[in-house]
Amino acid sequence: QVQLVESGGGVVQPGRSLRLSCAASGFTFSSFAMHWVRQAPGKGLEWVAVISYDGSNKYYADSVKGRFTISTDNSKNTLYLQMNSLRAEDTAVYYCARDPMPSWGVLGYFDLWGRGTLITVSS
Amino acid sequence: DIQMTQSPSSLSASVGDRVTITCRASQSISSYLNWYQQKPGKAPNLLIYTASNLQSGVPSRFSGSGSGADFTLTISSLQPEDFATYYCQQTYTTGGITFGQGTRLEIE
Repeated sequence: QVQLVESGGGVVQPGRSLRLSCAASGFTFSSFAMHWVRQAPGKGLEWVAVISYDGSNKYYADSVKGRFTISTDNSKNTLYLQMNSLRAEDTAVYYCARDPMPSWGVLGYFDLWGRGTLITVSS
Repeated sequence: DIQMTQSPSSLSASVGDRVTITCRASQSISSYLNWYQQKPGKAPNLLIYTASNLQSGVPSRFSGSGSGADFTLTISSLQPEDFATYYCQQTYTTGGITFGQGTRLEIE
């Protein structure tokens, strides 16, 4: 079954760190660029970060640049998002999503999404 | 970053209606425009990619058009399952992907 499953969400204090995971199954994970997208409660979608299929290129939204790091572990078919110096405005459901074209550059749209994991940054 | 503006922000319509949602970019983005549908509590679902290409498995009543800075999503005959929020997304710049604010489609 082709799917993405996020984990690692929860409540965290401002300034602390958290790492999200996204486990992929049912497809050749190492062949696809992968993204994180977030959605604050009751708000719209915000793209967060992307990593190319070979890990050679990573891009971040300005709002998280310097604080968040995207990475993959192909041996575990897992995507990560290391989030440091968390702020209240980082509170959101975080989705991992797949770029559609295998072994290609980043097209930037998403043909497969996880169900999301909620991060709440609050003291 | 490229700003994406959708109109209207909300829309009421009836089953069987033809509905059009507009998305305007703050600069030309060629055809690097995609559309998603999101239902409450669910992840978004890709409908249209690169302005006019229907994603596999998406009903043919959905269509997209436009290029440059102006784009439209059309639903030819609304079905009960189409009531949801719709987002446009530009992918003109890899490191600057942005979404529109969303259009909430409600039952009239």
